[in-house]
Amino acid sequence: EVQLLESGGRLVQPGGSLRLSCAASGFSFSDNTMSWVRQAPGKGPEWLSGILGNGGTTFYADSVKGQFTISRDNSKTTLFLQMNSLRVEDTAVYYCAKDRLGGDGYWDFDFWGQGTLVTVSS
Amino acid sequence: DIQMTQSPSSLSASVGDRVTITCRSSQHINNYLNWYQQKPGKAPKLLIYAASSLQSGVPSRFAGSGSGTDFTLTISSLQLDDSATYYCQRSSYSPLAFGQGTKVEIK
Repeated sequence: EVQLLESGGRLVQPGGSLRLSCAASGFSFSDNTMSWVRQAPGKGPEWLSGILGNGGTTFYADSVKGQFTISRDNSKTTLFLQMNSLRVEDTAVYYCAKDRLGGDGYWDFDFWGQGTLVTVSS
Repeated sequence: DIQMTQSPSSLSASVGDRVTITCRSSQHINNYLNWYQQKPGKAPKLLIYAASSLQSGVPSRFAGSGSGTDFTLTISSLQLDDSATYYCQRSSYSPLAFGQGTKVEIK
């Protein structure tokens, strides 16, 4: 059974940093492109970043380029999102999501974690 | 960036009704279009990928069609469990984008 379990979300002050983790199990983690998607309260999903299976290629939305960094540890089947210079508008539930197929990014997400809440507020 | 526009933003229909949601891309995206269902407090669920392929385990009353710039999600016979918000998502990079959503309510 595929499982994705995010952690690391909490209340942080503007300008602060946070590192989110997503522990994966039940599939061949190193074969799959993984993504981070966030959803602000009352808004639709926003794709943030993706990383190919070997970790060598990353992709970012313009809104977080230079601010967030995606990475993965295939030996620990864990996905990460390092978030710096956080702003109030970064407040959202952050999901990790798995590509439906292995290989290079297909960008259709068949499994999602339960989400972790990041609140940026003073 | 390629913009994705969904319509309507909300609709109300009765059990058994046929429901259609549209998604339009500002540029040609072939069939790189997915549909998700999201219920409150839950992660989105993949319904349709590659415009018209039904994800495993999804009821056959859901169907997707279209190619190029205009896409449709159809629920052939609306059920109580279909009350949710539906999002289209462009899967041709870059960057990826979701539509603004269509909230489906049951009368």
